[in-house]
Amino acid sequence: DGGITQSPKYLFRKEGQNVTLSCEQNLNHDAMYWYRQDPGQGLRLIYYSQIVNDFQKGDIAEGYSVSREKKESFPLTVTSAQKNPTAFYLCASNLAGAPNEQYFGPGTRLTVT
Amino acid sequence: DAKTTQPTSMDCAEGRAANLPCNHSTISGNEYVYWYRQIHSQGPQYIIHGLKNNETNEMASLIITEDRKSSTLILPHATLRDTAVYYCIVRVSETSGSRLTFGEGTQLTVNP
Repeated sequence: DGGITQSPKYLFRKEGQNVTLSCEQNLNHDAMYWYRQDPGQGLRLIYYSQIVNDFQKGDIAEGYSVSREKKESFPLTVTSAQKNPTAFYLCASNLAGAPNEQYFGPGTRLTVT
Repeated sequence: DAKTTQPTSMDCAEGRAANLPCNHSTISGNEYVYWYRQIHSQGPQYIIHGLKNNETNEMASLIITEDRKSSTLILPHATLRDTAVYYCIVRVSETSGSRLTFGEGTQLTVNP
């Protein structure tokens, strides 16, 4: 099946630890995105990448880092510098060019205590 | 990207049409209107998009006013599985990026 996978679905970490969230797509999409969602709110863009080995900060990049070494993978690291890391994290991708809809993964719910 | 305004919540009876409004009075000529929905604790799902003309697909219809300052998403025969948060987004279609700016959306509840 083609799609976007995120793992794990639930993740628990202690405060002060870095944690990496996985996002993989087999849709041959060029662009990939990471969003954060807090309860009762819409999605906010963390980072995005339009091509391998290149990425840009979104609206709330502080405390996060990404890499794009392969077209199909865009892992997100939540560092200890992120003050409120507990949230629902969503990965998305789309073909380059416009207008193209974004396809979203199922999300990872991160809880930091 | 232009800002959108949507009602916080709406109810609809099962089997009836659900009409979800969106105001985007500051939309620019090169901005598209997109609709996504998010069922609780899942990733958002693309529904439909349009520029000027009305659009229809297997999920919904999108009606855009002539001045493009507002639009309505129509689910013709709502089912209980259509209960979700619906997001209206306007954005410039660029070849170099596809940023989506999500507001808080409309919580649609379909009642039996």
